[in-house]
Amino acid sequence: AQSVTQLDSHVSVSEGTPVLLRCNYSSSYSPSLFWYVQHPNKGLQLLLKYTSAATLVKGINGFEAEFKKSETSFHLTKPSAHMSDAAEYFCVVSRNQAGGTSYGKLTFGQGTILTVHP
Amino acid sequence: EAEVAQSPRYKITEKSQAVAFWCDPISGHATLYWYRQILGQGPELLVQFQDESVVDDSQLPKDRFSAERLKGVDSTLKIQPAELGDSAMYLCASSLAFRELFFGEGSRLTVL
Repeated sequence: AQSVTQLDSHVSVSEGTPVLLRCNYSSSYSPSLFWYVQHPNKGLQLLLKYTSAATLVKGINGFEAEFKKSETSFHLTKPSAHMSDAAEYFCVVSRNQAGGTSYGKLTFGQGTILTVHP
Repeated sequence: EAEVAQSPRYKITEKSQAVAFWCDPISGHATLYWYRQILGQGPELLVQFQDESVVDDSQLPKDRFSAERLKGVDSTLKIQPAELGDSAMYLCASSLAFRELFFGEGSRLTVL
């Protein structure tokens, strides 16, 4: 069994300030973890993924996330927010298979809406 | 850059009518997924295909929903009859050998 909890449904920041989107997971297996971003009326785009290699994962657009097994967390951060970062972000857990080269069924969190103020 | 194509982007229908959504995955991607995303929630898997075979349809409401991928390439998701609670975004995704999922832009359904 696996589940994901995104601790904030909405996060609001000013442009140029740091972004922190929080995610806790539960998994009976060795997990793979992902962050996806969804802009309004668009599909989901992969930001970054953790598959059992380095615990600090760098993604696109300056985002990064740190896998902390002891805290069962996978928080998403960015040092300086940009207006174009305004979107909904989803934390996703899957079963890590074949050494991280393939994934089982994805379980999505409820999403965090990020608002960026000028 | 290869993309997952979906149509229509928007569909408004009345309850009890039939609706259909089409998805064309990235060329060569054997695995195809249909997700439903209700407003304010994360996507939920409806059905997963490996080539033309259904791998997982445990969350598909089979009394009204059907999905097919006859030649193992493009796929159609049908709802008949549509109900008010079916209003949602229907997302198609594809992947190469259970790796990273690539999503289409989705089909937004409004049932009146």
